[in-house]
Amino acid sequence: DVKVTQSSRYLVKRTGEKVFLECVQDMDHENMFWYRQDPGLGLRLIYFSYDVKMKEKGDIPEGYSVSREKKERFSLILESASTNQTSMYLCASSSASGSGRYEQYFGPGTRLTVT
Amino acid sequence: ILNVEQSPQSLHVQEGDSTNFTCSFPSSNFYALHWYRWETAKSPEALFVMTLNGDEKKKGRISATLNTKEGYSYLYIKGSQPEDSATYLCASFNAGKSTFGDGTTLTVKP
Repeated sequence: DVKVTQSSRYLVKRTGEKVFLECVQDMDHENMFWYRQDPGLGLRLIYFSYDVKMKEKGDIPEGYSVSREKKERFSLILESASTNQTSMYLCASSSASGSGRYEQYFGPGTRLTVT
Repeated sequence: ILNVEQSPQSLHVQEGDSTNFTCSFPSSNFYALHWYRWETAKSPEALFVMTLNGDEKKKGRISATLNTKEGYSYLYIKGSQPEDSATYLCASFNAGKSTFGDGTTLTVKP
């Protein structure tokens, strides 16, 4: 069964702290994604990665960085957390080959509060 | 259309009602359209992957159609049940990534 896990369901951090959100998938997927979801705004893409050590900016990368040292793991880093980064963060993965379907499999989300 | 747009934003129906909602997307450089269902406290799950103009997909009481020339897709739910209550997201897939609409939140009252 397909599985994407995220390190925390809930997280509370202080302004200025460095925050790491971890995502692990067990499907051998090439592609991994980080989104944030805010009320009324749907899912907005922060960063994505096609392969190990590769990363691409999404629509809202400012204030974030990512790391992909292993195929199964994709980390989102908030270098200096700010209150406007309070949000639900969702990780997803998808296959880059085969059927060409490219549907994404999502983790359970991390609700981050920055105070 | 430059972005993916969904309407309505929310919908309240009675159990047994049939309903439908719309997803509009850029028709140029189209590759695939995905529909997801996102239930409260769960992860979004893919419902349909649609790639060809005129595609119709069905899963139980839920079906979807696709018009790539004019850039829209409809999702239909026949005989809504309370367990259909969720946010339905559509996403246009192109160049390795998906652009999501804001979703339609469906509430089905018993």
